[in-house]
Amino acid sequence: NAGVTQTPKFQVLKTGQSMTLQCAQDMNHNSMYWYRQDPGMGLRLIYYSASEGTTDKGEVPNGYNVSRLNKREFSLRLESAAPSQTSVYFCASSEGRGQGGYTFGSGTRLTVV
Amino acid sequence: AQTVTQSQPEMSVQEAETVTLSCTYDTSESDYYLFWYKQPPSRQMILVIRQEAYKQQNATENRFSVNFQKAAKSFSLKISDSQLGDAAMYFCAYRSYNLNFGNEKLTFGTGTRLTIIP
Repeated sequence: NAGVTQTPKFQVLKTGQSMTLQCAQDMNHNSMYWYRQDPGMGLRLIYYSASEGTTDKGEVPNGYNVSRLNKREFSLRLESAAPSQTSVYFCASSEGRGQGGYTFGSGTRLTVV
Repeated sequence: AQTVTQSQPEMSVQEAETVTLSCTYDTSESDYYLFWYKQPPSRQMILVIRQEAYKQQNATENRFSVNFQKAAKSFSLKISDSQLGDAAMYFCAYRSYNLNFGNEKLTFGTGTRLTIIP
C-alpha cells in the first residue's frame, strides 16, 4: 500500500549513542516532516523539507540533524542521544501545494537510558 | 506564529451519545486549513476531517462534523452516535494556506483523550 514507511518501530539507546531514523514515502510528495510526540505536548515539528534539496528547522531542532536524500527519503539523526530525546517520532509527507492534510508514518518509539 | 489550544485533556461519553471536543487557535492569516486527527492506541495518525477557512459551510464526514467559527477562532469537533472504536486521542491542527510564506507546516494542539463508556 502507498504511504509513509518509518524504520525502526522501536529503539532503545544509551545516552551518548547515535542513530538514524529512516523515512520513505512513495506518493511523490514534495514535502516531508519530522515530528516528536510527548505526553501533554502534542506533536512538535523538529525539521521539515519543503522540497528535495531543502531543509529547515522547526520548533524543536536542537540535538537533531536531517538529510533529504532524494524526493522519497528524509532521515533524522541523533548524534549524541540524551534522555530528553525519549519520545515517539513521526515522519509525514504532503503534496506541499496547500492541498489536503498529511500522510503519517506509524511512528518510532525511542527510549534513551 | 500560530498556536492551537485544546483545553480538554480528557473527555468521556456514553456509547451512542454525542460529544463535542473543543479547539481554539490564534492566527493573523485570513486563509488557512484546520484539521482533526485521531490517534488510536495503535499510534497511527488518522485524518478525521478538514475545514478550509474560506468556506463558510461546516465540514461533515459521516458521524463527524465541525463547528467552525472563524471570527471566534474556534473549531470544535462533534462526534454523533459515539462508538467504542472512537476511543482515541484527538488532535486539532492548523496549516497555513499561503505557501508564499513558506509555512505549510501543521501546528498541533496538545490533544484530547476520548473515552467511550459502554
